[in-house]
Amino acid sequence: QSVLTQPPSASGTPGQRVTISCSGSSSNIGSDTVNWYQQLPGTAPKLLIYSNNQRPSGVPDRFSGSKSGTSASLAISGLQSEDEADYYCAAWDDSLNGWVFGGGTKLTVL
Amino acid sequence: EVQLVESGGGLVQPGGSLRLSCAASGFTFSRDWMSWVRQAPGKGLEWVANIKKDGSEKYYVDSVKGRFTISRDNAKNSLFLQMNSLRDEDTAVYYCAREIGYFDYWGQGTLVTVSS
Repeated sequence: QSVLTQPPSASGTPGQRVTISCSGSSSNIGSDTVNWYQQLPGTAPKLLIYSNNQRPSGVPDRFSGSKSGTSASLAISGLQSEDEADYYCAAWDDSLNGWVFGGGTKLTVL
Repeated sequence: EVQLVESGGGLVQPGGSLRLSCAASGFTFSRDWMSWVRQAPGKGLEWVANIKKDGSEKYYVDSVKGRFTISRDNAKNSLFLQMNSLRDEDTAVYYCAREIGYFDYWGQGTLVTVSS
């Protein structure tokens, strides 16, 4: 059981917009920033969004993040086949004194 | 170019020990926190431990406290994870990652298999 809650799966057709939610509590998302990671099949995770809504250099602006209260969301617009991957949210937890991840969302491009 | 290269994984029996290493290059290793994150086969990511830039602070996930020890050698740009009393549930790919408020660089991972 992950501390952060994500839907296990999401899907969309090419060109569509999809969102992935991440729900936490006052000790993690409610008190710290949220980061998102993309993991393509068979590869190491890659930073996708940091500090709730910042994109690292090289990440397309099709990817965006937001946070409100104890929840966060990742939005992907103009869905492409290469976006098919697992997506994880993460935040520092002040009560656990450690990083916590969501269980991951497998995105399928139909 | 930032590079993180893990090594030391392998097959070990339950109750055994293993020491993972992570060789860092392309950045000033001594200035940054570092973490270990693991991923069991077919499962999600789980943070394991992190260590402050000078090694003075260390934090662990509850499931490894008392069994795993994170350490670093800034002179050799290296991060370590000493794993003792290994259990079946420790089977995973172990990644080292640079931590700057988020994990911006990850290694390719090293597989640890705990099995008799």
